[in-house]
Amino acid sequence: GDSVTQMEGPVTLSEEAFLTINCTYTATGYPSLFWYVQYPGEGLQLLLKATKADDKGSNKGFEATYRKETTSFHLEKGSVQVSDSAVYFCALRNTGNQFYFGTGTSLTVIP
Amino acid sequence: DARVTQTPRHKVTEMGQEVTMRCQPILGHNTVFWYRQTMMQGLELLAYFRNRAPLDDSGMPKDRFSAEMPDATLATLKIQPSEPRDSAVYFCASGLQSLSYEQYFGPGTRLTVT
Repeated sequence: GDSVTQMEGPVTLSEEAFLTINCTYTATGYPSLFWYVQYPGEGLQLLLKATKADDKGSNKGFEATYRKETTSFHLEKGSVQVSDSAVYFCALRNTGNQFYFGTGTSLTVIP
Repeated sequence: DARVTQTPRHKVTEMGQEVTMRCQPILGHNTVFWYRQTMMQGLELLAYFRNRAPLDDSGMPKDRFSAEMPDATLATLKIQPSEPRDSAVYFCASGLQSLSYEQYFGPGTRLTVT
């Protein structure tokens, strides 16, 4: 079946460090891919999305590129801030409109 | 600023009691999702509706859980009877088919069953 695999956390970085959170997927056809962020005590928020191969989603300094050849959608940010501390979820919607979320990666940014 | 609202935000109940959680999706969204989040299982999709019709409820324990959309502005998730293992945060999300179903989550209902 379809699935999303993301790197396990927790991840701890110093402020202004470079962030990469890996996400790979298994799906037939061309799924849509998403990154969501969850701050403590809140629901998930859409961070960015990409709906076709080679698309780059970006928002708030975060970026992810839909790589069909490597079935990946890695999240990156060039310089993290303390306020980026949260749990990040990779997700996909397949062509059959089924939805799959990764297990989440906790990020802590220290000053 | 359109948001998904959920009530109640917190619920503590005793085992065997009925629990009803409510969700108001963003006006105009035609898809509603129910999720359960626990530390052990992570985020689980319980059910989702499009245009008020249930499309997938395979993740929901059918013997005690039920989900409905009485109208376009209200979705409900009911547990009867509740059990301690149902303790979790329940999220509702809404989306729009034309936006690739990107989902907008509510703040969640934290359920504790004692």
